[in-house]
Amino acid sequence: KAGVTQTPRYLIKTRGQQVTLSCSPISGHRSVSWYQQTPGQGLQFLFEYFSETQRNKGNFPGRFSGRQFSNSRSEMNVSTLELGDSALYLCASSLRSGGEENIQYFGAGTRLSVL
Amino acid sequence: AQKITQTQPGMFVQEKEAVTLDCTYDTSDPSYGLFWYKQPSSGEMIFLIYQGSYDQQNATEGRYSLNFQKARKSANLVISASQLGDSAMYFCAMREGTQGGSEKLVFGKGMKLTVNP
Repeated sequence: KAGVTQTPRYLIKTRGQQVTLSCSPISGHRSVSWYQQTPGQGLQFLFEYFSETQRNKGNFPGRFSGRQFSNSRSEMNVSTLELGDSALYLCASSLRSGGEENIQYFGAGTRLSVL
Repeated sequence: AQKITQTQPGMFVQEKEAVTLDCTYDTSDPSYGLFWYKQPSSGEMIFLIYQGSYDQQNATEGRYSLNFQKARKSANLVISASQLGDSAMYFCAMREGTQGGSEKLVFGKGMKLTVNP
């Protein structure tokens, strides 16, 4: 069974540009969450999508947005890039079964560098 | 308020020895889940072990076990018989409101484990 796939693995952009990251969840998983990891702030929750609807959102500006498609694949978009957006962006998928033991499985991440 | 605290920035252990990684948490929610993840230098977060707030027994997964002390709000990860491949960053995380609630995980700052041959 394939794991969570994130593309691309690496991106280099310049300030002011926009970027789209993609995440394909584990087959059968309908929930996709996104996290930003930086040396200063650590791992922070961006948002979660389930059944094509945003269910939860972290404390990030509106420049960060996302969507989920009917096949559960998700994309994250960052507009008007800033230097501080340089980070490892991790995507996680889960069954969101409602039970306690609902494990999130992560992809390898997309490393974004903003110059 | 910081919800997950990992105070050890780094640890060194000899191969084949056991090691305990500390994690304390803070929550007022009676229902929560605690997780440990491993992050090698490649970047991928690898799930290791889970402990539910209502679980009566400590979780175990192969060489990993979780020392869950609810009254002290601690969830320490124990790795038995360390291997060179265990060298990585380790993150403790918590999800509150596990009864159909948010998927949001709150992570600690992590700690770096180095296993020496």
